[in-house]
Amino acid sequence: QAVVTQEPSLTVSPGGTVTLTCGFSTGAVTSSHYPYWFQQKPGQAPTTLIYDTRKKHSWTPARFSGSLLGVKAALTLSGAQPEDEADYYCLLSYSGDKVFGTGTKVTVL
Amino acid sequence: EVQLVESGGLVVQPGGSLRLSCATSGFTFDDYAMHWVRQAPGQGLEWICLISWDGRSRYYADSVRGRFTISRDNRKKSLYLQMNSLRVEDTGFYYCAKDIVSTGDGMDVWGQGTTVIVS
Repeated sequence: QAVVTQEPSLTVSPGGTVTLTCGFSTGAVTSSHYPYWFQQKPGQAPTTLIYDTRKKHSWTPARFSGSLLGVKAALTLSGAQPEDEADYYCLLSYSGDKVFGTGTKVTVL
Repeated sequence: EVQLVESGGLVVQPGGSLRLSCATSGFTFDDYAMHWVRQAPGQGLEWICLISWDGRSRYYADSVRGRFTISRDNRKKSLYLQMNSLRVEDTGFYYCAKDIVSTGDGMDVWGQGTTVIVS
């Protein structure tokens, strides 16, 4: 079964920039995998930040952006805020199925 | 405001069955595909199934295929998950989520979830 890999943890300073990546065991991540990014804070349901690689919802803070970086999908947080401390998951579409990434715990410190 | 409210989570013995429901409001339900996603205690998110707007297309993760069935009632604006042959590893928090399109692209709005314990 396909595996989607993310960094287990990353730390960013307040106001700093951090990039999370999302890799696919089958090969390069492309726009045809329609990468999504979600944020989940402790005890809460996930919220959707980015869809279809780089599109934002009306509720997505401007400091979050999505892209393709080499063979991976990427989520960049520019100007990190304390409230951005959370778990982040990517999602890829694959032959009709969906696969979540392993998740990245982001600490703002 | 889009709202999704899951219900039906319980404690059930291994081998048992359970049916989860997701009541929706605030959007045109039959315009969108819907998903179920689960999260084991302390673990990451796991996509488990998807149903298209008309119920004709259904996709399942390998871990639940043949045991779980996703369905929907567009008149009642509700989504369901029939879970049979439950295993200890099915324990977790179950979320329903609305898709951004009718055929299944990805989730935009999530419910608050319901807890299933298989023990």
